[in-house]
Amino acid sequence: AQSVTQLGSHVSVSEGALVLLRCNYSSSVPPYLFWYVQYPNQGLQLLLKYTTGATLVKGINGFEAEFKKSETSFHLTKPSAHMSDAAEYFCAVSDGWGYSSASKIIFGSGTRLSIRP
Amino acid sequence: ETGVTQTPRHLVMGMTNKKSLKCEQHLGHNAMYWYKQSAKKPLELMFVYNFKEQTENNSVPSRFSPECPNSSHLFLHLHTLQPEDSALYLCASSQERGGRTGELFFGEGSRLTVL
Repeated sequence: AQSVTQLGSHVSVSEGALVLLRCNYSSSVPPYLFWYVQYPNQGLQLLLKYTTGATLVKGINGFEAEFKKSETSFHLTKPSAHMSDAAEYFCAVSDGWGYSSASKIIFGSGTRLSIRP
Repeated sequence: ETGVTQTPRHLVMGMTNKKSLKCEQHLGHNAMYWYKQSAKKPLELMFVYNFKEQTENNSVPSRFSPECPNSSHLFLHLHTLQPEDSALYLCASSQERGGRTGELFFGEGSRLTVL
């Protein structure tokens, strides 16, 4: 069975600093991996995803993530934080196959990112 | 018009009321989901519909009753709820290809408060 662990429920960085949000997963088959962002009182929005191919994935708003199979990690980074990046971030994994695979996306507990002026 | 629309955005109900949450997706997807998001808890998958057929019910209490009349609409009927059912209920849709789940597209959620 697959699972996702997000290290750190709350991360605080200064504006302009590097953002690093950590995600480790377990999966018995090659996974699909996702990062979603949730702003207050809104639904989740896809930031980026890894399916196959290039292990460094670029997403919206300057975020990127690297799939490292040997470390079972999919950490999210952004070189320079902006105040508008303050939100909740969720890592998710999917390894479902078969007709009923629609249910197989598992989310982490989320990391709240705060940006200090 | 957004891809996934949820109504109402906010709902307050008593424990004896009956109400419904509505979700509509305009993306032509073939799978729809209900998630529950409570404070300080991971997202909880409640129900999955694939081509209008319910394919998963994650041990959800019977006071929550889903309905999927077609691949674009999903309802969550609520009755005799408990205060602990207060949460943000998120609807999502996805396009399944070759049996592998695609990315989820979420609505903005319905904030439910049970008094």
